[in-house]
Amino acid sequence: AQSVTQPDIHITVSEGASLELRCNYSYGATPYLFWYVQSPGQGLQLLLKYFSGDTLVQGIKGFEAEFKRSQSSFNLRKPSVHWSDAAEYFCAVGPISNFGNEKLTFGTGTRLTIIP
Amino acid sequence: GAGVSQTPSNKVTEKGKYVELRCDPISGHTALYWYRQSLGQGPEFLIYFQGTGAADDSGLPNDRFFAVRPEGSVSTLKIQRTERGDSAVYLCASSSGLAGTSTDTQYFGPGTRLTVL
Repeated sequence: AQSVTQPDIHITVSEGASLELRCNYSYGATPYLFWYVQSPGQGLQLLLKYFSGDTLVQGIKGFEAEFKRSQSSFNLRKPSVHWSDAAEYFCAVGPISNFGNEKLTFGTGTRLTIIP
Repeated sequence: GAGVSQTPSNKVTEKGKYVELRCDPISGHTALYWYRQSLGQGPEFLIYFQGTGAADDSGLPNDRFFAVRPEGSVSTLKIQRTERGDSAVYLCASSSGLAGTSTDTQYFGPGTRLTVL
């Protein structure tokens, strides 16, 4: 069965500092990989996704993620965080199939706090 | 057009009651998903529709939970004999349903917060 591990429950970063959120997955083959962000009272917003090709993926809001097959990782990065980046971040994995994008398996999330 | 919408945004009910949660997907999206998010957890898959049929209902926790999508658009998640453990945020997502393509991304609604007293 597929699974996602986000080892950091809570991370605090100073505004303007760089950020890396970790994500490791377990899956039998190369899956689809996603990062979503959830602000308080809001739905999940897609930041970026990896399907195939270039292993460095650019997303919205200045985020990027790198797929490393050898490490089964898909870490999210941002060179300089803004106070508005404070939110909950979820990594997710989905199967590649001929039937479309089926169910996603999410990690437990990492809460990001930004301090001035 | 508009994103995924869910109603109500909040629902408070008493143990043992029946509830219905509604999801309006993005227009033209053939795939629709329900997830449940408990406090401090990531969303957990419940059921997935392709068109009107449930393609995968393996995440429904028991037979008190049921979902329909009679016309291939709006979906209703139905919970019978609610229990306190059903309290969670219920999220709906939709996608284009185009098999194996990079466009087939799930877009989520704001969720319905269900509280069972």
